[in-house]
Amino acid sequence: DAKTTQPNSMESNEEEPVHLPCNHSTISGTDYIHWYRQLPSQGPEYVIHGLTSNVNNRMASLAIAEDRKSSTLILHRATLRDAAVYYCILKHMDSNYQLIWGAGTKLIIKP
Amino acid sequence: GAVVSQHPSWVICKSGTSVKIECRSLDFQATTMFWYRQFPKQSLMLMATSNEGSKATYEQGVEKDKFLINHASLTLSTLTVTSAHPEDSSFYICSATSRDGTDTQYFGPGTRLTVL
Repeated sequence: DAKTTQPNSMESNEEEPVHLPCNHSTISGTDYIHWYRQLPSQGPEYVIHGLTSNVNNRMASLAIAEDRKSSTLILHRATLRDAAVYYCILKHMDSNYQLIWGAGTKLIIKP
Repeated sequence: GAVVSQHPSWVICKSGTSVKIECRSLDFQATTMFWYRQFPKQSLMLMATSNEGSKATYEQGVEKDKFLINHASLTLSTLTVTSAHPEDSSFYICSATSRDGTDTQYFGPGTRLTVL
């Protein structure tokens, strides 16, 4: 399974945009890029996913590099409730829906 | 959006007893359910993959006789930790994928198991 690399932690100020990077240099053409987040003592929450084009939803935006070897999750205006561990995951479209979890990025929001 | 529930949210039991955790998809039918275990400050570890009406597929190193999984319907899967010991204390999380082809996993809120 292709792996992802994320910074261990990041800090941001409240109400400012946050850009969470993810490197996935061994991504294959049939891998989707998924982002999940996990708040303390809760199950993970789906954030967004994409294949090649940038994606937007009510929670965030996903910017995918042209060569697909990296991506960035963008929170447009961070709030204290966005403090969580964010996981960038590659999932092969033909796999049995398995998500291979890395260490993620712990996002700290400063008021 | 799709909702997955788990019951109980937390449980404390004595060593040697068995504990059953339920995972339900409330507003969709789940083709596949997954069970994860998460130790403090660590990432999720997949334990097993469960398809309705068939035997679960366990990850390497996970004892199938200790962690019994039953997926009796498209909305319910159960994980039974048999003869629990303190080292089984962990946060157990289930997830489910819907049949709508979106390929999104929806997670339950987790169950905190503490074995004394």
